[in-house]
Amino acid sequence: DTGVSQDPRHKITKRGQNVTFRCDPISEHNRLYWYRQTLGQGPEFLTYFQNEAQLEKSRLLSDRFSAERPKGSFSTLEIQRTEQGDSAMYLCASSPEAYNSPLHFGNGTRLTVT
Amino acid sequence: AQSVAQPEDQVNVAEGNPLTVKCTYSVSGNPYLFWYVQYPNRGLQFLLKYITGDNLVKGSYGFEAEFNKSQTSFHLKKPSALVSDSALYFCAVIPYSGAGSYQLTFGKGTKLSVIP
Repeated sequence: DTGVSQDPRHKITKRGQNVTFRCDPISEHNRLYWYRQTLGQGPEFLTYFQNEAQLEKSRLLSDRFSAERPKGSFSTLEIQRTEQGDSAMYLCASSPEAYNSPLHFGNGTRLTVT
Repeated sequence: AQSVAQPEDQVNVAEGNPLTVKCTYSVSGNPYLFWYVQYPNRGLQFLLKYITGDNLVKGSYGFEAEFNKSQTSFHLKKPSALVSDSALYFCAVIPYSGAGSYQLTFGKGTKLSVIP
């Protein structure tokens, strides 16, 4: 178990630029999740994949956000035309098939939009 | 929609004393409940979960949690706190049904400080 890996750890970008984050889940996990965490808050659900299928997406998620998991392995999260309000920690997690399986989180990508 | 409340932003406890971090939840039907811990600049680590059965659940690092259905609570406890337990603790809930949303809903977190 090598854990969930996220890249980069930190990203500083100017408002209006596009950014892309990568997540490599635990290899035998077929479920992958993206969460966003701002200071003083708990993680907020963004989207969920089972294998390559994106099965759920938060209604609060802007159209500027898109996620993919093309081969059911790694995933990318892209934010287009970044805004200062997008500054947050973006967490990726993976889990096995069972509905009540705990999520295994990566260390996150901290995004700062200037 | 489900929700989680952690009424205390911060809990301070002396090393060696028992600790309690409170959590209440709201969900349709029966809940699956989780506790996670977060250290600075790190992701969340799973501590324990309640699925069904015994209301007292034991987890990692000596932590346990008690499920109380009538009070819709799932408080985290430890008999003797360590300085190394100082971290941010999150309670989370997902409905039991399984047919539908996989959105694990988190509370805002409670910062635990164990004082030497």
